[in-house]
Amino acid sequence: QKEVEQDPGPLSVPEGAIVSLNCTYSNSAFQYFMWYRQYSRKGPELLMYTYSSGNKEDGRFTAQVDKSSKYISLFIRDSQPSDSATYLCAMSASRGSRLTFGEGTQLTVNP
Amino acid sequence: DTAVSQTPKYLVTQMGNDKSIKCEQNLGHDTMYWYKQDSKKFLKIMFSYNNKELIINETVPNRFSPKSPDKAHLNLHINSLELGDSAVYFCASSPWTSGGGSSTDTQYFGPGTRLTVL
Repeated sequence: QKEVEQDPGPLSVPEGAIVSLNCTYSNSAFQYFMWYRQYSRKGPELLMYTYSSGNKEDGRFTAQVDKSSKYISLFIRDSQPSDSATYLCAMSASRGSRLTFGEGTQLTVNP
Repeated sequence: DTAVSQTPKYLVTQMGNDKSIKCEQNLGHDTMYWYKQDSKKFLKIMFSYNNKELIINETVPNRFSPKSPDKAHLNLHINSLELGDSAVYFCASSPWTSGGGSSTDTQYFGPGTRLTVL
């Protein structure tokens, strides 16, 4: 069983839709949670970084962490075609320790 | 100004060959990483160096050998390449140092090296 599970999709939505991306994990030691965005043939870039449970908002993006359920989410409001990419969740047990990634969800936002 | 750069971008080679991938970061970071991303986009860490010292060494065949000549460089040498080594290899760096402090451990990725073994 993988430590981090993420539905690979693909997920296709119309422009303006609210997108919900999710990951579940099994390692209760994870405390730091990240979302990376990866455009085709590019390296991943950090989108959101959260510590422990709670919500964090940045523009159209909201990250939620529910440690009791071992479940994290990324919401994208008013999705744009430029949001089309693969979204990878990642998590670690302590700062500086190895990141464990989900396998990524491929998102397409149609104009 | 590329923050994390890798060369080459594409590498096509025959089984059994030895090849190297180079990585350089100009961010002044203390920690560098190598990741392997397979065809299903699954990204898995291979190695991590902090101030030229190996701190993470995942279960990777010993045909893979990282070398860090200085803090700004982390190269990956692969001996006796196999078909299963075909993947995209990403280098990353972060300001995180094992001494702790307030440094963020955000990782910045390079553009990747697409390795194809024939």
